[in-house]
This record gives sequence, structure tokens and C-alpha cells, in this order.
Amino acid sequence: KAGVTQTPRYLIKTRGQQVTLSCSPISGHRSVSWYQQTPGQGLQFLFEYFSETQRNKGNFPGRFSGRQFSNSRSEMNVSTLELGDSALYLCASSLRGVEETQYFGPGTRLLVL
Amino acid sequence: DAKTTQPNSMESNEEEPVHLPCNHSTISGTDYIHWYRQLPSQGPEYVIHGLTSNVNNRMASLAIAEDRKSSTLILHRATLRDAAVYYCILRGGVTTLFSGAGSYQLTFGKGTKLSVIP
Repeated sequence: KAGVTQTPRYLIKTRGQQVTLSCSPISGHRSVSWYQQTPGQGLQFLFEYFSETQRNKGNFPGRFSGRQFSNSRSEMNVSTLELGDSALYLCASSLRGVEETQYFGPGTRLLVL
Repeated sequence: DAKTTQPNSMESNEEEPVHLPCNHSTISGTDYIHWYRQLPSQGPEYVIHGLTSNVNNRMASLAIAEDRKSSTLILHRATLRDAAVYYCILRGGVTTLFSGAGSYQLTFGKGTKLSVIP
């Protein structure tokens, strides 16, 4: 079974631009979560989607948004990029999200210049 | 969310057992204790989880204190491939009765960086 895939793997943007990251979960998994990892803050939860609905949201500004499609694939969008948005963005999937093992993708490394 | 406390770093000799401690004194009765690890340049991977009883799987063992305020991840024979950052996490969230599903998030701390010496 293929693992969680994320595209692109690397991305360079400039301040003020917007970016869309994509995540394909493991086949059959309906829950997709997004995390941001930075050296200073570590791994922080962004949001979780289940059956195309956002179920849980971390403490991030509204510039961070996401959506999930009917095939469970998910996208994350960051608008008006700031230098501090430079980070590794990780996607994780699980069957239902409750008490389930989370399977992480390799991440997308975003650099904002 | 209940928080966990782990040592910043630990060292182990190859092929020796490793005991990675985690304190979670504010754990609630329904919180599961999860362990994940993150190898260099990779996303985190699941190691093990438990609620009250000790747990074993092919990767590791999890020993949970009787009062559940602490736990220990045990790697029985450390290998060089076990060098990683290990995260002890309490699963937070609420289960909704109608849908049968609930919200789920992982709150990561700083973790313990394990170095394995050949």
C-alpha cells in the first residue's frame, strides 16, 4: 500500500505570495491532518479534515486554510506569505482519526524569501 | 491540552536497551499515551501507544506507571537506525456520539533526541 505523498517536496516563495500544498493520504484513510514544523516552535497542529469537513483547528491565523476533496486528498493554502511561514509542512492520514495511528508524509519544505 | 515533559537528549550504546522517560502529570483519564519518532529528514512515524496497561510491539515496549503520570518507552536493543527524536504525546480530543468519529490532534512537545553510539 502506498504511503502518504506530498507535493511539492520543496518550494521557494516570496513574501506576500500565496502557496498551495497537496497531500494524498493512504488509500482508504478518511482523516487528514496538517502540521507545521519549525526549529523554534517544533511540530504544531494546523487542522484536521474528515470526510471533507474540518473537524479540528489549531491556533494559526486565518491565512492558513485547507480543504479536503471527496477522494480524501487534501490541500493546504497559505495566503500573504510571511518570512515566519518558512517551515516543513507535514501531512498525516488515518482511517478515522480517533485513537488511530497517524501516518505521516515526507513533508513539503517551504522557504519564504 | 495536557503536556508532557521529556529529557532533551539521551545517548545509548548500540545493541543496548534504551529507556526513554516521559512525565505527564496532568493526564486525564481518557488520554492515550502515544509515542512517535522522527528520523532525520523524514516525517514522524508511529512507534506505540497505550492507555493503562503495558504494551509491546515489534518496535518497542511501553511501560505505563500505575498512576499514569509517567511512562517509559523501551527499545530493547538500540541500533543506529533508532537514532531519532522521540516524541511522547497525549491524544486530546472529543468523541462525538452521533457520527462515531471524533476530532483528533497530536500535540507534540520538544521530544528527546536519541543518539546511538556504535
